[in-house]
Amino acid sequence: DAKTTQPPSMDCAEGRAANLPCNHSTISGNEYVYWYRQIHSQGPQYIIHGLKNNETNEMASLIITEDRKSSTLILPHATLRDTAVYYCIVRVGENSGGSNYKLTFGKGTLLTVNP
Amino acid sequence: DTAVSQTPKYLVTQMGNDKSIKCEQNLGHDTMYWYKQDSKKFLKIMFSYNNKELIINETVPNRFSPKSPDKAHLNLHINSLELGDSAVYFCASSQVAGRSPLHFGNGTRLTVT
Repeated sequence: DAKTTQPPSMDCAEGRAANLPCNHSTISGNEYVYWYRQIHSQGPQYIIHGLKNNETNEMASLIITEDRKSSTLILPHATLRDTAVYYCIVRVGENSGGSNYKLTFGKGTLLTVNP
Repeated sequence: DTAVSQTPKYLVTQMGNDKSIKCEQNLGHDTMYWYKQDSKKFLKIMFSYNNKELIINETVPNRFSPKSPDKAHLNLHINSLELGDSAVYFCASSQVAGRSPLHFGNGTRLTVT
């Protein structure tokens, strides 16, 4: 699986949009971009994933550049409860064998939402 | 109606002891995992089972032995506990399809003294 690069930490004001960047310049054509977050003392939580089109769900939006070498997770109205470590992960899709089941976490970005 | 539940939440034990952590998922998923998060907060996969069959074993010492009695359960047995085993252990599950998200439990904090 391709590696990702994320800033170690970011701050955001409560109520504002939080834009978390991720670089994945070695991403392969069959690799998806996944975002998870881990709130303190809890298990990681899935947020969103995408291949090349922008995606939106009730939690966040995912913007993937046209060359797919980077992406941005957007939390449109950050709250204090969004303070967490956010992980950007690239992973192969279906029909890719046993390693398909492995999700490899990096260091992530600690997002702190301030009141 | 917790999706992935682990027990116990905290486990404190002495070196050399044998302990088990249990995990159950009620999502109907076919694949289950064990992850370890060390003191530096790195999350590393240890094992993965698909329909009770081991599919990933990430160079984990033989003292660690996963057991899957059915596809809704994946337990982790640890023999001869060492200080370095102290960590938070997370269980997770997902559908077989590769793109499906992982659902994690809230972890078991193991402290070996």
